[in-house]
Amino acid sequence: GAVVSQHPSRVICKSGTSVKIECRSLDFQATTMFWYRQFPKQSLMLMATSNEGSKATYEQGVEKDKFLINHASLTLSTLTVTSAHPEDSSFYICSARGGSSYNSPLHFGNGTRLTVT
Amino acid sequence: AQSVTQLDSQVPVFEEAPVELRCNYSSSVSVYLFWYVQYPNQGLQLLLKYLSGSTLVKGINGFEAEFNKSQTSFHLRKPSVHISDTAEYFCAVSTTGGSYIPTFGRGTSLIVHP
Repeated sequence: GAVVSQHPSRVICKSGTSVKIECRSLDFQATTMFWYRQFPKQSLMLMATSNEGSKATYEQGVEKDKFLINHASLTLSTLTVTSAHPEDSSFYICSARGGSSYNSPLHFGNGTRLTVT
Repeated sequence: AQSVTQLDSQVPVFEEAPVELRCNYSSSVSVYLFWYVQYPNQGLQLLLKYLSGSTLVKGINGFEAEFNKSQTSFHLRKPSVHISDTAEYFCAVSTTGGSYIPTFGRGTSLIVHP
């Protein structure tokens, strides 16, 4: 089955530094990837849609200069949290869909727990 | 725009008992419906989906859900739960047009007691 690998699973960084999270589709090509943020005991909040070879589409209220997304190939998308602050601490999850068909459910990575100290 | 309401934030149940997790949606157009499960510190895994056809959908791990258009519901059921079913369950809806990006409910925490 389709596998999405997300790395790292956990990261602790100091305030003011940047952190990069990778999302890879291991056995399929993902033209579109999605980045979500999940707060404790809450649902997933879509942050942005990442399209291979083009700029990401950010949801309203998400700072694109703070959350940099790069989708350089059909199997890799990265999310960089720049100048991280404690309020950026959260669980970040990526997902991927191989095509635009509604029959293609989203395949999720295992998430990255970011803690900013 | 579509929305999803999961009426119960937490559902405690004893092992081998039946369970129903409720989900209601709102949309002005036709929808596709999904249930995902999330185990602690992991991503989401698709349990089942409704696209069209039979309103009773069977998924993995013995779960099933029924699409009720008149009540705009898509409740998830399992006749006998196991300890290993303890997890967070998310209902999601996407519309039949546009980008098919699903909207997720707030989640229901299923807690199975021995």
